[in-house]
Amino acid sequence: SQQGEEDPQALSIQEGENATMNCSYKTSINNLQWYRQNSGRGLVHLILIRSNEREKHSGRLRVTLDTSKKSSSLLITASRAADTASYFCATADNNNDMRFGAGTRLTVKP
Amino acid sequence: KAGVTQTPRYLIKTRGQQVTLSCSPISGHRSVSWYQQTPGQGLQFLFEYFSETQRNKGNFPGRFSGRQFSNSRSEMNVSTLELGDSALYLCASSLAGQGASPLHFGNGTRLTVT
Repeated sequence: SQQGEEDPQALSIQEGENATMNCSYKTSINNLQWYRQNSGRGLVHLILIRSNEREKHSGRLRVTLDTSKKSSSLLITASRAADTASYFCATADNNNDMRFGAGTRLTVKP
Repeated sequence: KAGVTQTPRYLIKTRGQQVTLSCSPISGHRSVSWYQQTPGQGLQFLFEYFSETQRNKGNFPGRFSGRQFSNSRSEMNVSTLELGDSALYLCASSLAGQGASPLHFGNGTRLTVT
């Protein structure tokens, strides 16, 4: 069963704009991870944020985590056409069981 | 370092047949997890193997089974195939195990059951 719920389900923006995707979850977590998937290919790990962290950066990516609201957000700044993909959040609980959300489909128009 | 390799890339089978999918993890990774991805259900966890032992299992019928060899390579078997088994099957390896460290995915095996 899925734990994380991404919002929005689909997002379409112009190149150069910022993209923000949100993830909500229900149970306590050990960490939360974000992955990207290009059509028909495997997922690529982007960022792992632990439950005691509030924010992490990696290049143009910024992830925040609010455990009191059981939510996380992924911000992609200055988006490029190559960022077009589906983005998934995945939660890992204290037993290291992982659950993936349904994903946000991001389209970046050149 | 070579990535996760899954074979075959595409597979077409008939209902009632069985299929074996293969996954070679990143060198040094002892954990291999398997996922089923479909448009309707999303990513569903099948099982995880760590050092040849099944460490965790999702909610799939017993027709879905797996194993891991001493070199960490893993195979997944589906017997008595059903139309609903059509999906992208993804394997992922990790250093410390699913949930504890990032997953590195292969490009999947696209299984079509007719």
